[in-house]
Amino acid sequence: DGGITQSPKYLFRKEGQNVTLSCEQNLNHDAMYWYRQDPGQGLRLIYYSQIVNDFQKGDIAEGYSVSREKKESFPLTVTSAQKNPTAFYLCASSVGQGSEPQHFGDGTRLSIL
Amino acid sequence: GQSLEQPSEVTAVEGAIVQINCTYQTSGFYGLSWYQQHDGGAPTFLSYNALDGLEETGRFSSFLSRSDSYGYLLLQELQMKDSASYFCGRTIGASGTYKYIFGTGTRLKVLA
Repeated sequence: DGGITQSPKYLFRKEGQNVTLSCEQNLNHDAMYWYRQDPGQGLRLIYYSQIVNDFQKGDIAEGYSVSREKKESFPLTVTSAQKNPTAFYLCASSVGQGSEPQHFGDGTRLSIL
Repeated sequence: GQSLEQPSEVTAVEGAIVQINCTYQTSGFYGLSWYQQHDGGAPTFLSYNALDGLEETGRFSSFLSRSDSYGYLLLQELQMKDSASYFCGRTIGASGTYKYIFGTGTRLKVLA
């Protein structure tokens, strides 16, 4: 079955540490996205990529970085510059730019130790 | 601005009909999607309106009026399992600079 796999499901970060969240899709989608969701809140766009080796900042990119070296993979690094990283992180994909719907992974919950 | 506005919370009883509205400021020909998210889970796609009008999928229907920058999700014969948050979403921007945004979310509580 095709889908999006995020790992790990839970992640703990120590002060001053960078952590990387994995997102892999086998849907052959060109576009991939990262969202952050705080408790009781909506989804805010961190970064998105419409094609391999290209990505754009979303609305809250500060303190985060991404890469898109392969079509299937879009890892997100939460750097030590992100002072409030505790949140639910969701990766999504769509067929191409401007297309719908978005397909989501199961998410990663990041907490501070 | 580039935002999708929804009511924060709606409460209804089992068997009832409820409508969740979504209004936006950015014009354009893009359609509107709806997603459901249960507590602790990821959003799942429910419905997409590419054009103006009503789309029906079982107990759920969705409507879009692009001229009014307005859409809604209609849930009929409510069941307890429909208690969840519902988000509208759409593409904004132009070719090469597309991005996807979500509404503020509506928490639906279904009472027995």
